[in-house]
Amino acid sequence: QQQVKQSPQSLIVQKGGISIINCAYENTAFDYFPWYQQFPGKGPALLIAIRPDVSEKKEGRFTISFNKSAKQFSLHIMDSQPGDSATYFCAASFNNAGNMLTFGGGTRLMVKP
Amino acid sequence: KAGVTQTPRYLIKTRGQQVTLSCSPISGHRSVSWYQQTPGQGLQFLFEYFSETQRNKGNFPGRFSGRQFSNSRSEMNVSTLELGDSALYLCASSLAPQQPLAKNIQYFGAGTRLSVL
Repeated sequence: QQQVKQSPQSLIVQKGGISIINCAYENTAFDYFPWYQQFPGKGPALLIAIRPDVSEKKEGRFTISFNKSAKQFSLHIMDSQPGDSATYFCAASFNNAGNMLTFGGGTRLMVKP
Repeated sequence: KAGVTQTPRYLIKTRGQQVTLSCSPISGHRSVSWYQQTPGQGLQFLFEYFSETQRNKGNFPGRFSGRQFSNSRSEMNVSTLELGDSALYLCASSLAPQQPLAKNIQYFGAGTRLSVL
């Protein structure tokens, strides 16, 4: 059962544009929503994370928007750069499930110069 | 500070064999989790260990097992390998099990790519 659905699977954005990746979850018990960035040959690295008690979190060019009622959250990358080209994963976890993460299917982002 | 180290980086096995993968967490980290990454199924949680005890287990058959040693290093074992076990196996470490209202950042290693022929 896929509990976190991510879209789109791939995304091409021009340099300087805004990249938007969306995720939807089913289980309302999730209480932590991180985004990970993965470059080829590397493991995923935490980019930014949010809890459901806030609607938005911004760190530099990266912003998470969270809609609790719709059970959706999204990652916005402002002023996208070629160096942002990577695969992005949204994830979710339960408060009482330790560090177990449920990941979305991933989005391969390509930023064209 | 050294990151999460996984060995070996690449492994080729044949069906029916067994394999052991190793993970050395970041110094001071006591929690280790394992994930399987495949193009079809994406990233899936295998199990998590803390203080040599398995805390959580994902939905994988019993052929997948793991353990953690007193120095926090962890190994995972897959017995009777199947073609479908070909994947990138990722290890992640964090400081301690999740505290209430706080989340410990998990740091991933580069993974072990297992190919089953």
